[in-house]
Amino acid sequence: QKEVEQDPGPLSVPEGAIVSLNCTYSNSAFQYFMWYRQYSRKGPELLMYTYSSGNKEDGRFTAQVDKSSKYISLFIRDSQPSDSATYLCAMRLGTGFQKLVFGTGTRLLVSP
Amino acid sequence: GAGVSQSPSNKVTEKGKDVELRCDPISGHTALYWYRQRLGQGLEFLIYFQGNSAPDKSGLPSDRFSAERTGESVSTLTIQRTQQEDSAVYLCASSSQGYGYTFGSGTRLTVV
Repeated sequence: QKEVEQDPGPLSVPEGAIVSLNCTYSNSAFQYFMWYRQYSRKGPELLMYTYSSGNKEDGRFTAQVDKSSKYISLFIRDSQPSDSATYLCAMRLGTGFQKLVFGTGTRLLVSP
Repeated sequence: GAGVSQSPSNKVTEKGKDVELRCDPISGHTALYWYRQRLGQGLEFLIYFQGNSAPDKSGLPSDRFSAERTGESVSTLTIQRTQQEDSAVYLCASSSQGYGYTFGSGTRLTVV
C-alpha cells in the first residue's frame, strides 16, 4: 500500500463547475499538507499549505484536512480552463527540512 | 536567480552511458531536493541536502545513482550505466523555510 493514495483521473468538468480533489494517507504522523499544481512539461508549483486539521481558503481554492479520517481535499470554485493541470497532494511529518511524500497526482480537464 | 534552473531540459542517452543532471537552486535556499517522476506516477524522493549536514540519500534506488552539492549552490545528479527504467523526469527543488519547495522544470531523461 502506498503511503499516499490519489485517483489519477482524468477528471473532466465544464467551466464554472466546483471541483473536488482528494487524497488519503496511511501515516497518522503526517502533520503538514500541501497541494501542488503541475502544468504539462513544467515543475510543480505550490498552491496551498495547511497544518493539521481544518480548512484554509485562498481565492477560488479551499484546502481541507481531516486527520481523523486521514483524508485531505482541495476544492476549486468557478473552475476555469486555465485550471487544467495535474494536481498533486503532498505531506510531511514535522517541521524543518524534511522530504515531502507525494500522491500520484490527479489530472484535471476543464472544458470551455 | 529568480527560480530553480535545471539543465539540460532534455537528454537522450544510450543504455549503459553515464549522465549528469545539473540543478541551480534559488540563491539563499539552504535545502535542495531531487525527485524522480515516471510517466503516470507521483514524485519519488531521491536525495536531499541541507546546509552542511550529511545528505539524506535514503531514496536513491541503486548505487548507480549519486549526487553532490557544493555548499549551498549547484547540485549534480549522476546516473551511471543508465538503464531503460531510468527514463523519467528528474525534478530539483529548493527551499529556504522547510515547508514549500520551489521546483525547476525538470530534466526529461530518455534512455534508448
